[in-house]
Amino acid sequence: SQQGEEDPQALSIQEGENATMNCSYKTSINNLQWYRQNSGRGLVHLILIRSNEREKHSGRLRVTLDTSKKSSSLLITASRAADTASYFCRSGGSNYKLTFGKGTLLTVNP
Amino acid sequence: DVKVTQSSRYLVKRTGEKVFLECVQDMDHENMFWYRQDPGLGLRLIYFSYDVKMKEKGDIPEGYSVSREKKERFSLILESASTNQTSMYLCASRDPRMGNNEQFFGPGTRLTVL
Repeated sequence: SQQGEEDPQALSIQEGENATMNCSYKTSINNLQWYRQNSGRGLVHLILIRSNEREKHSGRLRVTLDTSKKSSSLLITASRAADTASYFCRSGGSNYKLTFGKGTLLTVNP
Repeated sequence: DVKVTQSSRYLVKRTGEKVFLECVQDMDHENMFWYRQDPGLGLRLIYFSYDVKMKEKGDIPEGYSVSREKKERFSLILESASTNQTSMYLCASRDPRMGNNEQFFGPGTRLTVL
């Protein structure tokens, strides 16, 4: 499976600071996606970056992709308490077997 | 908006019971998935279905079976529930024609097996 692995497992910051999470994957991909999960809820798709892209922005989110290192990072700028959640990456290819990593638990303290 | 619904948010069953978890999506998606999520283990794929009556084992299919008789509905079955199947179960769907692999998730069912 093309499992993504997030790093760190947990991150605690103050409101207004930036949060950076990293993801590594094992096989070649067509795209990589980041998802967010609020406590006790399902996952919500945040952003997708394709294998031929190096950086992508969406609001306060910035995603980078380095296919040579098989890694991606998610940056949340000017974090808010409402950003507190778990964040997952998922590498995507032609495989139906789409699997996730263990996630990064982000806590933003007010 | 795509809507994925799961039959229960919370469920309590006894060891040995047969348990049905239902998932319904309203966007005509071909692919559907069942995951379980446990602390420290993340999301693990149990089964997926790429079309009606089609199913494939995921990473942890043991103790589970699935049914996809209609496109909108994907059922996860625990033939004889055990305490180690206490978990959060998440259903997802996807339209493979979209090309972006985005999955849409239901709210989850927290199952407790006593």
